[in-house]
Amino acid sequence: DQQVKQNSPSLSVQEGRISILNCDYTNSMFDYFLWYKKYPAEGPTFLISISSIKDKNEDGRFTVFLNKSAKHLSLHIVPSQPGDSAVYFCAARVTGANSKLTFGKGITLSVRP
Amino acid sequence: KAGVTQTPRYLIKTRGQQVTLSCSPISGHRSVSWYQQTPGQGLQFLFEYFSETQRNKGNFPGRFSGRQFSNSRSEMNVSTLELGDSALYLCASSWTGTATTGELFFGEGSRLTVL
Repeated sequence: DQQVKQNSPSLSVQEGRISILNCDYTNSMFDYFLWYKKYPAEGPTFLISISSIKDKNEDGRFTVFLNKSAKHLSLHIVPSQPGDSAVYFCAARVTGANSKLTFGKGITLSVRP
Repeated sequence: KAGVTQTPRYLIKTRGQQVTLSCSPISGHRSVSWYQQTPGQGLQFLFEYFSETQRNKGNFPGRFSGRQFSNSRSEMNVSTLELGDSALYLCASSWTGTATTGELFFGEGSRLTVL
């Protein structure tokens, strides 16, 4: 059962435009969400996160939006740069002493120069 | 400070063999988690260790096991390897584990190929 879903496996965007990466979840107990970025031959690196008590978190060019009623979150990258080309993973967790991160399958973002 | 270090980076095994992967967390981090990444399934949680105790476990068969040492270094072992075990195995560390902010620091992974 895939509790975190990234239904679009890939996205191609022109440099300078906005990239919107979507993520859906099914477990209503999730209360913290994270995005990780992964380049080939490297481990994932933390990008941005959001708590369920918020609906938006912004960090430079990256903004994450959370719609709890729809169980949907999205990552906006504005403006997109060629260096943003990577695989982006959405992850979620339930706060607790033994919680783990549940990841989606990832979205491959390609930013065209 | 040094990041998460995983060894070996690449290895090739044959079916039926066993393999041991090693992970050295960031200095001061006490939690180590292991994930399996395959093209079709994304990152699948294997287990988490904190202060030498397994604190959480994913849905993998008993062939997958791990341990953590007093210096927080961790190893995972896969016995009786199957072709489907071919994957990138990622180790991640954090100060207290995913009980707080959830941010994990990943190593570069160990790429296992089973022939």
